[in-house]
Amino acid sequence: EAGVAQSPRYKIIEKRQSVAFWCNPISGHATLYWYQQILGQGPKLLIQFQNNGVVDDSQLPKDRFSAERLKGVDSTLKIQPAKLEDSAVYLCASSRGDRGRGTGELFFGEGSRLTVL
Amino acid sequence: GDSVTQMEGPVTLSEEAFLTINCTYTATGYPSLFWYVQYPGEGLQLLLKATKADDKGSNKGFEATYRKETTSFHLEKGSVQVSDSAVYFCALSGGSYIPTFGRGTSLIVHP
Repeated sequence: EAGVAQSPRYKIIEKRQSVAFWCNPISGHATLYWYQQILGQGPKLLIQFQNNGVVDDSQLPKDRFSAERLKGVDSTLKIQPAKLEDSAVYLCASSRGDRGRGTGELFFGEGSRLTVL
Repeated sequence: GDSVTQMEGPVTLSEEAFLTINCTYTATGYPSLFWYVQYPGEGLQLLLKATKADDKGSNKGFEATYRKETTSFHLEKGSVQVSDSAVYFCALSGGSYIPTFGRGTSLIVHP
């Protein structure tokens, strides 16, 4: 079974530029998550999708961050314009999505490391 | 809201030493509890889990017991190896819970 795929692995941009990250979850996983992991901190949830609907985006800075999962499969996270404090690893994860039942195990991609200069 | 607190690192040990990494949580009800491990340059991967009170999760010599009376899920290993050097994350999830992670504890094991 293929794991969660993310690209690019590394990205360096200047502040005020834009960037997009792509994620393809494990086949059949209905739930997809984007997390932000700043160096030395734990992952912070940005957005959770169930199929192509948003379950939670309360911590997504909507003035600059956007995310979509149009066909309920792969997803894109965009930052525009980027700030210095957006430097972090952006992790995508998926789960079987049995909300309300099941154990909630997440499967993570390797992450996309963003450096904003 | 729900939260996970784990001990700060780094934890530095010699090979074959005993390991404990403390984790406590705050949540309404009884979420499932997890330990994830992140090796350098890699994503997080599940180490072990427990889905209800008094359950013990175990994998690769690591163990953790879900204690609802103390809202804890401490990670232990009797004899660590250099290859266990990594960052360990405690997390809660399952059901309607938003998956929530602690800040991570770095483990460094010296030969």
